[in-house]
Amino acid sequence: GQQLNQSPQSMFIQEGEDVSMNCTSSSIFNTWLWYKQDPGEGPVLLIALYKAGELTSNGRLTAQFGITRKDSFLNISASIPSDVGIYFCAGQRSGGSNYKLTFGKGTLLTVNP
Amino acid sequence: SQTIHQWPATLVQPVGSPLSLECTVEGTSNPNLYWYRQAAGRGLQLLFYSVGIGQISSEVPQNLSASRPQDRQFILSSKKLLLSDSGFYLCAWSVWGSNQPQHFGDGTRLSIL
Repeated sequence: GQQLNQSPQSMFIQEGEDVSMNCTSSSIFNTWLWYKQDPGEGPVLLIALYKAGELTSNGRLTAQFGITRKDSFLNISASIPSDVGIYFCAGQRSGGSNYKLTFGKGTLLTVNP
Repeated sequence: SQTIHQWPATLVQPVGSPLSLECTVEGTSNPNLYWYRQAAGRGLQLLFYSVGIGQISSEVPQNLSASRPQDRQFILSSKKLLLSDSGFYLCAWSVWGSNQPQHFGDGTRLSIL
C-alpha cells in the first residue's frame, strides 16, 4: 500500500527555535493535511492544503503542498512549550466516496523551556 | 458546528470479554465515519470506514467488527477480546463526497488484562 515517509521521527529543541518537518511519498496526493496530537487526545487538524504549490499559514505554522504533489512540509516558527506533541502528515486521494487518508508515522516534538 | 463524541474514554477489559465502543457525530448529516487504532502513541491504522447507514468496509482482518445503526452513530465491537486488541482507538468523521479533512474524537484507551 501507499506509504508516507515523515521526517524527522523526533526533535528536541529549545524554546524560540524554528522547526521544520516534512513528508514524502512515491504517489501523488490531491490533498495534504497536517495534524497535531497531544498525549491522550485525538489528532487536531492544523492545516489543510488542496493545490500543488499552495503555501498556507496558521499563526506560527506554515505548510506547503509540493509542486510534484508527492511531498509537503510544515514549519513552526519561534517554538513555545505548548508546541510539544506528535505532528502527523496525511495524504488524501480523491475519488469514490470514502476519501481515505494515508498517514505518516509522526514527528515527536519536544520543546525545552 | 460539528462535534464528535467517543466513549468511554478509558476501558480495562479481561481477555475473552466483549467490547462495544461508541462514536457519535453532531451537527452534520450523512458523514463518512472511520475507526482507527493507534499503537504506542504513533502510527494510525485505519480499521473500518462507512459511507452510509449499514455500509461498513474493513481495511484489515482482525478480531473486531463495526456497525453503523444510525446515520451519525458508529460502533466498534468484539465478541472476545485478545491481548493484542489493546491500544488507543480513534473515531473520525468527514463530509461525504468532498475532500474536506477528517476530524477526530478524543479516543478510547483500551487495556486488555
